[in-house]
Amino acid sequence: SQTIHQWPATLVQPVGSPLSLECTVEGTSNPNLYWYRQAAGRGLQLLFYSVGIGQISSEVPQNLSASRPQDRQFILSSKKLLLSDSGFYLCAWYRQTPMNEQFFGPGTRLTVL
Amino acid sequence: GNSVTQMEGPVTLSEEAFLTINCTYTATGYPSLFWYVQYPGEGLQLLLKATKADDKGSNKGFEATYRKETTSFHLEKGSVQVSDSAVYFCALSGAGGFKTIFGAGTRLFVKA
Repeated sequence: SQTIHQWPATLVQPVGSPLSLECTVEGTSNPNLYWYRQAAGRGLQLLFYSVGIGQISSEVPQNLSASRPQDRQFILSSKKLLLSDSGFYLCAWYRQTPMNEQFFGPGTRLTVL
Repeated sequence: GNSVTQMEGPVTLSEEAFLTINCTYTATGYPSLFWYVQYPGEGLQLLLKATKADDKGSNKGFEATYRKETTSFHLEKGSVQVSDSAVYFCALSGAGGFKTIFGAGTRLFVKA
């Protein structure tokens, strides 16, 4: 069976510090991978998606970047965090058959002070 | 483009009350439709899904019917429990596409 991991689970960082969030998927190969952000009390915002190693598509211009160094690893980064980067970050992978379904990781709660 | 609109929350109900959370969509072709649930502090979990018109998805007492004529996928449960308190997201995925479009989410509070 497939599983998806995210770490850390929670993170408190000062403004201007760097960021690295990691997501790994087990039990599948060549998955489509996604980073979402959920601000407090709001819906999901798609930040990045990747269809393969080194292939990153950005949905929203911002202070963040993403990388996919390995098939089942997806990293979200920032060189200098802003207060507005606070939120709940979710990684997901996509399975086309049978139901075009996304599977989500447990999320990382980021607080920028 | 594709979009999903769901009723704003929060929705507050007493235990054993009937629940309806409305969801309508705009899409070309025949999308797959989903309801996801997010419990406090957790990621999203798939609650139920439907892939074609008139399909009914069901799970844990929740149901939703894919209505193409009204482009709707309303979530219902006959008798809610305190443990159903969560945020519910309606979503669609287009045929052949790999992007899932999510609604804004509806927060449900169930009081004992």
